[in-house]
Amino acid sequence: DAGVTQSPTHLIKTRGQQVTLRCSPKSGHDTVSWYQQALGQGPQFIFQYYEEEERQRGNFPDRFSGHQFPNYSSELNVNALLLGDSALYLCASSLEPGLGEAFFGQGTRLTVV
Amino acid sequence: KNQVEQSPQSLIILEGKNCTLQCNYTVSPFSNLRWYKQDTGRGPVSLTIMTFSENTKSNGRYTATLDADTKQSSLHITASQLSDSASYICVVGSGGGTSYGKLTFGQGTILTVHP
Repeated sequence: DAGVTQSPTHLIKTRGQQVTLRCSPKSGHDTVSWYQQALGQGPQFIFQYYEEEERQRGNFPDRFSGHQFPNYSSELNVNALLLGDSALYLCASSLEPGLGEAFFGQGTRLTVV
Repeated sequence: KNQVEQSPQSLIILEGKNCTLQCNYTVSPFSNLRWYKQDTGRGPVSLTIMTFSENTKSNGRYTATLDADTKQSSLHITASQLSDSASYICVVGSGGGTSYGKLTFGQGTILTVHP
């Protein structure tokens, strides 16, 4: 079992560009949540996907959007990148929203220059 | 507003010593409380998870306690090792309503173990 995998591991983008981050959940997990972690801070909840729908969302602008595919994998898209979007983006998967154990990927380090 | 506050922000101890990290939360409705260990630049790894009815749970040298009445938790690390150097994050899961399944993270306590 490969666990939760994220790609790419590192990414450098220019202000104003768009980026897509990918996440494959742990085998058998159907819920994917995305988090943004700035340097020295705890992760902040972006949104959660379950049954291919966004079930809930944190305090992030519409520039942050996502998608979940039938195989439960997920993408996080960020448009019109700002310098402040530079962070570690974490994906977590669980068997059901909230109650089960949440497993995290290694994260994607996004740097906006 | 749901919040999770941890103390201290950082801690330095000598190898072999014990330490205790604190977590206070105001998440409602409460579902569960988790402690994660996060190495620099890596994803968090679960140490313990406790529901409302549990007041203590151990995982090797890690022991977590939960007081749901005072909304406090602690993580006790026994006989620390150099590999314990990491950020320890307290996470509270929401139990119902529109926030069902949402995890609220604390800022973490950065633990450094010196030889």
